[in-house]
Amino acid sequence: DTAVSQTPKYLVTQMGNDKSIKCEQNLGHDTMYWYKQDSKKFLKIMFSYNNKELIINETVPNRFSPKSPDKAHLNLHINSLELGDSAVYFCASSQGLRTQETQYFGPGTRLLVL
Amino acid sequence: GENVEQHPSTLSVQEGDSAVIKCTYSDSASNYFPWYKQELGKRPQLIIDIRSNVGEKKDQRIAVTLNKTAKHFSLHITETQPEDSAVYFCAASIRSGGGADGLTFGKGTHLIIQP
Repeated sequence: DTAVSQTPKYLVTQMGNDKSIKCEQNLGHDTMYWYKQDSKKFLKIMFSYNNKELIINETVPNRFSPKSPDKAHLNLHINSLELGDSAVYFCASSQGLRTQETQYFGPGTRLLVL
Repeated sequence: GENVEQHPSTLSVQEGDSAVIKCTYSDSASNYFPWYKQELGKRPQLIIDIRSNVGEKKDQRIAVTLNKTAKHFSLHITETQPEDSAVYFCAASIRSGGGADGLTFGKGTHLIIQP
């Protein structure tokens, strides 16, 4: 009955590798997001995506790319991983396209780059 | 873009007392202000939110106030309990031309309830 799920929960990898994190929501929501939470607990939006448009935070390196096979999924691909990519990555979703919709977060993926 | 400032970064109160966390935002176009609670190792969970056409909202021991003129909103927790201990984040909606919007978060307040 999980609303927003992510896999894997933990990811440990070497610098320079390419990895993916998967996100699925079963709420029937139209919009999905990726957030990064760094070691100081600061939460920052990376992407927002609906079935029509991807909005990218301009501070996100182009090594990060979201991919959505369908409305219920928004996966995050990361190329050439760097030490600074170590963080917790949260997927979230909301009902529609408007700004006043509640966002529901997934459990997070803890990424450690060695 | 939007900037959200949150204070204090750490707040310690005695069990049963009230706690207040304050946030300011920069973008006058923001119209949605949620508060999230994050326990250690867990996901952020919405505890209350307020929209720009409302000045105050209450849900049992939790209340939020919004002053759009001053671009200021606050979280109030009364009769605090040990289970209220967590990190609390305020956020403001980001408006984008494409219609898919995200949230700008404050840096969080670590609330500690002393028994």
